[in-house]
Amino acid sequence: DTEVTQTPKHLVMGMTNKKSLKCEQHMGHRAMYWYKQKAKKPPELMFVYSYEKLSINESVPSRFSPECPNSSLLNLHLHALQPEDSALYLCASSQVPGRDTEAFFGQGTRLTVV
Amino acid sequence: AQTVTQSQPEMSVQEAETVTLSCTYDTSESNYYLFWYKQPPSRQMILVIRQEAYKQQNATENRFSVNFQKAAKSFSLKISDSQLGDTAMYFCAFLIIQGAQKLVFGQGTRLTINP
Repeated sequence: DTEVTQTPKHLVMGMTNKKSLKCEQHMGHRAMYWYKQKAKKPPELMFVYSYEKLSINESVPSRFSPECPNSSLLNLHLHALQPEDSALYLCASSQVPGRDTEAFFGQGTRLTVV
Repeated sequence: AQTVTQSQPEMSVQEAETVTLSCTYDTSESNYYLFWYKQPPSRQMILVIRQEAYKQQNATENRFSVNFQKAAKSFSLKISDSQLGDTAMYFCAFLIIQGAQKLVFGQGTRLTINP
């Protein structure tokens, strides 16, 4: 199993809603990542979890709250988002934090904030 | 800070032709890793090829090969015998290791393979 599974694939939410994005991998990877990708732009790193602990936060606004309940799951909790937060949110995982191992990406959640 | 530059926003070639995508980067690190990722319309980022900076030999994966020029900080991707399924956005990426892995991507090149 070399998959990173993200749910939902599409999400439309209002600015007052609370929603969560989910990411799951069963490859035994101990590093997991959230990237944000605006249309026609490259992915930009948001958060990195290493061994279930937050190790990098790229100055992301607090309306995005990551959570890593266990080594296989990564959540991104969303609250009071703005229309400019509409983007593709990609989850990725890699085998060992701090090593040059391949990052496997999910298919992303396309988020629209209305 | 590490930066990655892809100077070709779009490219288009005929099926079976060879195409080269360019990438330059800037870093003060001596040991690092470079990648080419492909993002088809399905949105999933797929690793195409990787290169360790300490290796002088250029990486090759089937129809995909790189021309890595460390002194010039250049990392181009050559696709031989291009196929329709190669149509995608291609991102050059630089790997930073700061206790955890962080990929810095270039702006991307949209490649279209025409029948």
